[in-house]
Amino acid sequence: QVQLQESGPGLVKPSETLSLTCAVSGSSISSGYYWGWIRQPPGKGLEWIGRIYYTGNTDYNPSLKRRVTISVDTSNNQFSLKLNSVTAADTAVYYCAREWGDYEGSYYFDYWGQGTLATVSS
Amino acid sequence: DIVMTQSPDSLAVSLGERATINCKSSQSVLYSSKNKNYLAWYQQRPGQPPKLLIYWASTRESGVPDRFSGSGSGTDFTLTISSLQAEDVAVYYCQQYYITPRTFGQGTKVEIK
Repeated sequence: QVQLQESGPGLVKPSETLSLTCAVSGSSISSGYYWGWIRQPPGKGLEWIGRIYYTGNTDYNPSLKRRVTISVDTSNNQFSLKLNSVTAADTAVYYCAREWGDYEGSYYFDYWGQGTLATVSS
Repeated sequence: DIVMTQSPDSLAVSLGERATINCKSSQSVLYSSKNKNYLAWYQQRPGQPPKLLIYWASTRESGVPDRFSGSGSGTDFTLTISSLQAEDVAVYYCQQYYITPRTFGQGTKVEIK
């Protein structure tokens, strides 16, 4: 069974960098899928942040692109998110998820982590 | 970006009755050469992550009850719960995976009347 688990500080100060890690078990991160980050502000909807392939290829949401970096650590079977210059608007539950795909493309999110709340406050 | 718009924002349905949620995309998500609609539906219960229900617009994920069904093509899609159960109280989201950035509808909250 594939499992994803987010971890990272629950509280980040404004203007600093939010750093989260997603540990993957039950599936090799090098097995040919994209791995993504999605966030959900309290009481609001879902926003796709970006994704990474095990080779390091990334795609980012243009709305966040200048502030986001997603990286992969294949030796530890995990991937990470860094969001810099955070403000209160970045307060959200952050989810990591696997994007199911095949040799033709990458598609829907079939496995999700439980999510971690990151609060931006001084 | 492809904008996904759901309707209604919320609905209250009696137990055992039908619930219908609509999703409209700002451009077609039908990949013509494959004849597949790049559209998924998710269920999010309170305090839980989203759960995949439907992909390719109408294919149920393994283990999803058959009272959930998806339909539609191109830009207009529907999620139907044929006989609402108490455990179906949740927010439902549609999502396109035709292009990046991936985008979601704003969500539809389903409650018991």
